[in-house]
Amino acid sequence: ETGVTQTPRHLVMGMTNKKSLKCEQHLGHNAMYWYKQSAKKPLELMFVYSLEERVENNSVPSRFSPECPNSSHLFLHLHTLQPEDSALYLCASSQEIRGTNYGYTFGSGTRLTVV
Amino acid sequence: RKEVEQDPGPFNVPEGATVAFNCTYSNSASQSFFWYRQDCRKEPKLLMSVYSSGNEDGRFTAQLNRASQYISLLIRDSKLSDSATYLCVVNIRYGGSQGNLIFGKGTKLSVKP
Repeated sequence: ETGVTQTPRHLVMGMTNKKSLKCEQHLGHNAMYWYKQSAKKPLELMFVYSLEERVENNSVPSRFSPECPNSSHLFLHLHTLQPEDSALYLCASSQEIRGTNYGYTFGSGTRLTVV
Repeated sequence: RKEVEQDPGPFNVPEGATVAFNCTYSNSASQSFFWYRQDCRKEPKLLMSVYSSGNEDGRFTAQLNRASQYISLLIRDSKLSDSATYLCVVNIRYGGSQGNLIFGKGTKLSVKP
């Protein structure tokens, strides 16, 4: 497999469920990201991991919990979500060198619907 | 003021037309600039980087004006396959932090036969 792969592609969950989104990159990059894309809004950066350490958390509610066990894998754990959390969740990776991102690549995304 | 602003469109143009998209950014600490393309229900993909000297890739020309904090994308001889949303993206680095990509809402282009 090449590039950035995300699973599942589609997810429907109830507000009391717990689920996880998975992202895997095969590019040898050292940084990974979670973005949220809602209808009629720009992509919103949620979390950044650089060298497996979380370096940014953009005021995301605690019902979203990221995990980066190694430089190739990134998870987003979801619990007690709200209907307004329904969106496309995109994972991305890049090679970060002294603050500049190279080869920024997105996965295909998980389309999440909260019912 | 939004960090990256674009005209949302839609731009509806006939095949063969020339179309221009504009984008402004608010943070003078922005370091690098890109245009991404996003097809319906797909992930964004890098179209081209934007350099201060201006750069061209086939039918696509990108320009950057740092003084005005303005970026443009020109598409010549537009094709049906150019129909997509075009995202203006800047890489902003705050202090010693890692630079992150900040996206505009995108401009929707529809090329008609």
